[in-house]
Amino acid sequence: QVQLVQSGSEMKKPGASVKVSCQVSGYRFTDYHLHWVRQAPGQGLEWMGWINTNTGNPTYAQGFTGRFVFSLDASVSAAYLQISSLRAEDAAVYYCARRITVAARPVYEIWGQGTKVTVSS
Amino acid sequence: IVLTQSPGTLSLSPGERVTLSCRASQSVRSSYLAWYQQKPGQAPRLVIYDASSRATGIPDRFSGSGSGTDFTLTISRLEPEDFAVYYCQQYGSTPYTFGQGTKLEIK
Repeated sequence: QVQLVQSGSEMKKPGASVKVSCQVSGYRFTDYHLHWVRQAPGQGLEWMGWINTNTGNPTYAQGFTGRFVFSLDASVSAAYLQISSLRAEDAAVYYCARRITVAARPVYEIWGQGTKVTVSS
Repeated sequence: IVLTQSPGTLSLSPGERVTLSCRASQSVRSSYLAWYQQKPGQAPRLVIYDASSRATGIPDRFSGSGSGTDFTLTISRLEPEDFAVYYCQQYGSTPYTFGQGTKLEIK
């Protein structure tokens, strides 16, 4: 069964860092790149970028450079999103997502369950 | 590309037909436009991609159309499980962007 399983909710203080994991199962990890999508409370979806699961090369959307880092550990079929110097506006649900199989398009058929990050002093 | 969805909220009854709109600020290359359904507390679910192709497992009461800057998602006969928020997404150019969503609520 194809699944993306994310790490659990996090509560952090402003200025701290957080690392969200996305564990892949049910397919070969390197067959599909992984994308990250943010959803602030009560808001819509925002594409953050993606990571090439073959090379580990990340691509960041504008607004997600500097404090946001995508990484991989292919040996355990996992991708990570690390956010440093957390701010109140980083509070959101973060999703990892994988594209559809039938076409090479960045439309997301498989999603992680989401990881809620709360930032509060 | 900015995607504007309308209306923001629709109050409808099961069995009704509904058409949701997604308008792009510039032409979407190759009609690379998708629709997602999201229910509270859940991840989005892909409904339509390439403007008109249904995703796996999506019932045929869902259909998509459009090209250029104007796209629509039609649900021919609303079922109780269809009440949710719907987002459009363009993936013709980076950054991939989403609309702000249309909420379908039960009247």
